[in-house]
Amino acid sequence: GAGVSQSPSNKVTEKGKDVELRCDPISGHTALYWYRQSLGQGLEFLIYFQGNSAPDKSGLPSDRFSAERTGGSVSTLTIQRTQQEDSAVYLCASSLENGRYEQYFGPGTRLTVT
Amino acid sequence: GDSVTQMEGPVTLSEEAFLTINCTYTATGYPSLFWYVQYPGEGLQLLLKATKADDKGSNKGFEATYRKETTSFHLEKGSVQVSDSAVYFCALPLAGTYKYIFGTGTRLKVLA
Repeated sequence: GAGVSQSPSNKVTEKGKDVELRCDPISGHTALYWYRQSLGQGLEFLIYFQGNSAPDKSGLPSDRFSAERTGGSVSTLTIQRTQQEDSAVYLCASSLENGRYEQYFGPGTRLTVT
Repeated sequence: GDSVTQMEGPVTLSEEAFLTINCTYTATGYPSLFWYVQYPGEGLQLLLKATKADDKGSNKGFEATYRKETTSFHLEKGSVQVSDSAVYFCALPLAGTYKYIFGTGTRLKVLA
């Protein structure tokens, strides 16, 4: 079946603009995760969803970052007033259930803020 | 708190060399343990996993054994190939939450 998809694959934006990143998880996966991977760095947890709710938003770097998930499926990560330090690859992952099953990752969105 | 520590890279090996990438963890209880791999230009994908102590996960010639005595989950391969060049991440779920902790990743470069 189809894997996790993300769009766009690449996004170049000017500092101060807002961006939206989209994630389509695997059908039937109730858990959805967002991570950030900066150049040469490991994974930074941002937020996860169980269904449509986000019990843990502690990883969001600032209030410029927000995320939502609708219908227990598609999720959007929004970054307002982008800064150059937001440049990174944003990865989305989904899994059948939180905490026990492996996560399936999308190819990521490479965000460049100029 | 729970944590994962991976050996720093990069690791550079010749083809057919033996590979070990160390991973040690601190965790409450006995969580499942995972190795993920990220090939150049791609997202992460599960390489192997172990769900309980003494389990051995294996895939594509890679192996890792869940050792609770040493709290380790080292990744090994007897004979690496150029195509194994990638970044490898050790991971575990954080007890009592639905978060996963990932190691910082170890970059492997295999030379022909």
